Amino acid sequence: SQKIEQNSEALNIQEGKTATLTCNYTNYSPAYLQWYRQDPGRGPVFLLLIRENEKEKRKERLKVTFDTTLKQSLFHITASQPADSATYLCALYMDSNYQLIWGAGTKLIIKP
Amino acid sequence: GAVVSQHPSRVICKSGTSVKIECRSLDFQATTMFWYRQFPKKSLMLMATSNEGSKATYEQGVEKDKFLINHASLTLSTLTVTSAHPEDSSFYICSASPSGETQYFGPGTRLLVL
Repeated sequence: SQKIEQNSEALNIQEGKTATLTCNYTNYSPAYLQWYRQDPGRGPVFLLLIRENEKEKRKERLKVTFDTTLKQSLFHITASQPADSATYLCALYMDSNYQLIWGAGTKLIIKP
Repeated sequence: GAVVSQHPSRVICKSGTSVKIECRSLDFQATTMFWYRQFPKKSLMLMATSNEGSKATYEQGVEKDKFLINHASLTLSTLTVTSAHPEDSSFYICSASPSGETQYFGPGTRLLVL
């Protein structure tokens, strides 16, 4: 069966450390993968997109890796800050039907 | 850039009434708009995809007569929840895509049906 999985448990990280979130999927062949941030009661905010032929993408303190063999993406936040606390969603883009397939998200808590 | 607004942000209505939610792309033209529903601590659930000037494509299990979608222009899509019932209470989020790849989301609308 097709599924996309993110850690359902909240991730607690000490301020200043690197937070690493995982997104695993099975039985999909996405054209690319996206990461979004969602704050409580708000819509998701686009962060990064990584294509199937890209290994790594960076944006300021954010880094995303994409391993199509392992069917896994890792999302890193370096020098984490309490303001980074939010739920982070990964989504697979399927160019067969132009849709995003969403993970349930991982709640990240950065403790001062 | 790429700002999407939704209105209203929160609505409370009586059972049996209809509620309209607007989604606007403020600084770009959106060939495609999407409507999602999200339950607490759950993933976004795609309800329908709409392209400007054509009928919306609804996901399996979503009643098209219940959730009316109109994509009248390249910057506006509306979702009308008809004859709302308490089980329709949820967080509704729209997104707009200028190119078909990245989606830009509105802030969401919290609907509570009493």
